[in-house]
Amino acid sequence: NAGVMQNPRHLVRRRGQEARLRCSPMKGHSHVYWYRQLPEEGLKFMVYLQKENIIDESGMPKERFSAEFPKEGPSILRIQQVVRGDSAAYFCASSITGTETYEQYFGPGTRLTVT
Amino acid sequence: DAKTTQPTSMDCAEGRAANLPCNHSTISGNEYVYWYRQIHSQGPQYIIHGLKNNETNEMASLIITEDRKSSTLILPHATLRDTAVYYCIALTQGGSEKLVFGKGTKLTVNP
Repeated sequence: NAGVMQNPRHLVRRRGQEARLRCSPMKGHSHVYWYRQLPEEGLKFMVYLQKENIIDESGMPKERFSAEFPKEGPSILRIQQVVRGDSAAYFCASSITGTETYEQYFGPGTRLTVT
Repeated sequence: DAKTTQPTSMDCAEGRAANLPCNHSTISGNEYVYWYRQIHSQGPQYIIHGLKNNETNEMASLIITEDRKSSTLILPHATLRDTAVYYCIALTQGGSEKLVFGKGTKLTVNP
């Protein structure tokens, strides 16, 4: 059973460009979470999605950031008009539904560098 | 979700047991204690969780005090690859499910 997959692993964008980060959850998992880790800082929750629904986006910046998890295909975290402060590691996690507790399994992350 | 408190850093000799404490004195009855770790630059890794009873799996043991105000994660035979930041998180079952990571404990396993 493959783990959570994220691509690309490294992404370089110039200021003002768009960044698209993809996350494929583990097989059988229908919950996806995105977290951000700024340099030398801790992990911060961004958004929690189920298929075709955003459940909790309390950690998402109000502008330029959006996320989706369509019925088919990976979850996408999109950052429009990137700025230097968006440079960070973005981690995706997935969990299974229908169980009593919710272990989250993380991908290897996408390192975004904005130049 | 209850706040947790952990020491900033700890050292352990390779092959010895690593005992990582966590204080969660305000934990409520339906909050689980979860442990994750992050090895440098990698994605966090789930280790173990528990509610009231002690738990053991292939990675670690979790000892929760009877009053549930604190717990200890035990790595029975630490190896150099266990060097990581360890996070203790209190999480309500059926709640928002988002993980709130604090600063964790930086465990260094020395040869």
